[in-house]
Amino acid sequence: QVQLQESGPGLVKPSETLSLTCTVSGGSISSGSYYWSWIRQPPGKGLECIGNIYYSGSTKYNPSLKGRLTISIDTSNNQFSLNLSSVTAADTAVYYCARDLIYSSSYFDSWGQGILVTVSS
Amino acid sequence: SSELTQDPAVSVALGQTVRITCQGDGLRGYYASWYQQKPGQAPVLVIYANNNRPSGIPDRFSGSSSGNTSSLTITGAQAEDEADYYCDSRDSSDNRVVLFGGGTKLTVL
Repeated sequence: QVQLQESGPGLVKPSETLSLTCTVSGGSISSGSYYWSWIRQPPGKGLECIGNIYYSGSTKYNPSLKGRLTISIDTSNNQFSLNLSSVTAADTAVYYCARDLIYSSSYFDSWGQGILVTVSS
Repeated sequence: SSELTQDPAVSVALGQTVRITCQGDGLRGYYASWYQQKPGQAPVLVIYANNNRPSGIPDRFSGSSSGNTSSLTITGAQAEDEADYYCDSRDSSDNRVVLFGGGTKLTVL
């Protein structure tokens, strides 16, 4: 059974770059059947998909992030990563990585446990 | 449309049936999936492709869809079903564009 695990700093200063990595175990990130996604949830609020990446490196970003977001993939280490630049307090959230099945009806079938990232000086 | 609308809160008596709805024009052209999220935990998929249950999800959870509305029904709600529920659909022309509903807080009385 595939497992996903987020890692990275829990505290980032305003205007700096938030960097997280998701390590995938129990399955290959090079499978052509999935997108690999980042989803965030501000405290007390709902879910927002901020972007995803295919094993080929093709990406899709949420336009709301206005060019601040970069998602990359490292197939040799079965990991994908998120870099969000120029962060503000509004970027404080639990960040989840998730596996998105590519099918006639796509859905997130596996999630990491989430990591709380606080933006504060 | 890029929006999915859910009622913020719904309550149900223990053992009774509750329906949680998700509305949006995008649902006319794409399937819905549903996730359960308990406090401090990651979301868990409970329904996919409108009306399919992943293995391990109790059969009291079911889904349906008609027009611009998708529904999650819990038949015989249990105390452990108290949670937030989110619907998810996609842009019909690009399944990489993800739409989440705002979530429904289910209280089991």
